[in-house]
Amino acid sequence: ETGVTQTPRHLVMGMTNKKSLKCEQHLGHNAMYWYKQSAKKPLELMFVYSLEERVENNSVPSRFSPECPNSSHLFLHLHTLQPEDSALYLCASSQEASGIAYNEQFFGPGTRLTVL
Amino acid sequence: QKEVEQNSGPLSVPEGAIASLNCTYSDRGSQSFFWYRQYSGKSPELIMFIYSNGDKEDGRFTAQLNKASQYVSLLIRDSQPSDSATYLCAVNPTGKLIFGQGTTLQVKP
Repeated sequence: ETGVTQTPRHLVMGMTNKKSLKCEQHLGHNAMYWYKQSAKKPLELMFVYSLEERVENNSVPSRFSPECPNSSHLFLHLHTLQPEDSALYLCASSQEASGIAYNEQFFGPGTRLTVL
Repeated sequence: QKEVEQNSGPLSVPEGAIASLNCTYSDRGSQSFFWYRQYSGKSPELIMFIYSNGDKEDGRFTAQLNKASQYVSLLIRDSQPSDSATYLCAVNPTGKLIFGQGTTLQVKP
């Protein structure tokens, strides 16, 4: 595996379900991110992790819970989601979470989430 | 006012023409500017960045920055059908990347 991988690629869940999205980066980077991409809207940064420590949480509802067990893996735990949470969830990584290296982010293929 | 604004398009150009993609931003203190390309069903990838006023060329791509007008553009010369994608402008004003909604480019053979 190379680059940034995400599983599953597609997920359909009910509002009462609990599911998790997984991201793995094979680039040796120290920073990882979760973004939400909705149709016709800009990419929204959700969470930033630097060396497994959460450094940014952009007012994301508590029904989204991130976990970063090590610098290569990032999870997004989902529970009691709403239909408006349906979107493409992208994971990204960069060498560092600050400075010039922060700006070159490598994205995974995304998980297309549908909440019924 | 949106922090980073782009015309969503689609922008349609014939093969071989110059495609011009535009972006304006609101934070006058922004120092770093980026263009990401996103093919349909794929993830964004960084293709250009520019930090100084003026032009920066890389192959068929030229990024143009005018900080006084808070305007950044991407020119694609000799457009190819394979350039058809959504182009995301991103600005870093305070250590955080802010993305525009993207402009969809269609290059017709």
